[in-house]
Amino acid sequence: NAGVTQTPKFQVLKTGQSMTLQCAQDMNHNSMYWYRQDPGMGLRLIYYSASEGTTDKGEVPNGYNVSRLNKREFSLRLESAAPSQTSVYFCASQEWQGNYEQYFGPGTRLTVT
Amino acid sequence: TQLLEQSPQFLSIQEGENLTVYCNSSSVFSSLQWYRQEPGEGPVLLVTVVTGGEVKKLKRLTFQFGDARKDSSLHITAAQPGDTGLYLCAGVGAGSYQLTFGKGTKLSVIP
Repeated sequence: NAGVTQTPKFQVLKTGQSMTLQCAQDMNHNSMYWYRQDPGMGLRLIYYSASEGTTDKGEVPNGYNVSRLNKREFSLRLESAAPSQTSVYFCASQEWQGNYEQYFGPGTRLTVT
Repeated sequence: TQLLEQSPQFLSIQEGENLTVYCNSSSVFSSLQWYRQEPGEGPVLLVTVVTGGEVKKLKRLTFQFGDARKDSSLHITAAQPGDTGLYLCAGVGAGSYQLTFGKGTKLSVIP
């Protein structure tokens, strides 16, 4: 039982390049989330998926897109990376929307030069 | 926007000391959680409190939810180096389905 897994663990991009961050959970959870964590800013919600087939914007969605591929997988795409997107990205899952206990992955550390 | 203010931002103490960190808001939260995050890892849930005035204990950690459900505290007794990490509080506002996170308290326990 791996919980929440994220790939890659580290990534360096040049401005304008694109990439997809992958997230998968094996806990049969309905809801999944993408956050970014920046020094002094705490965790900020980018996008979430309350259940398979639905996605919604969070606090800071600009520059990102998401896909809920199936119940297990939720990916985050940067179409044209910018230095402001340098951050640590965390994926989290939650059993259902009304149960707020979230389980986090280990994070992806992204640097955009 | 429902904000959670955590204090202090940084705390460095000697092993064996007691400490309290705080999480405050002007908004009412239907539930509040505490997470601990170690360097290079994701946050790990420690506890959820849902009732005003509720107190929960997890070994040497005591969590309290304020009577008005606007604030919470985490007290650590006889801190150990293993307690070192970033402590985050997160709350669910009334009518919301999203967690709002505080910016965290970074705790260092020196042996």
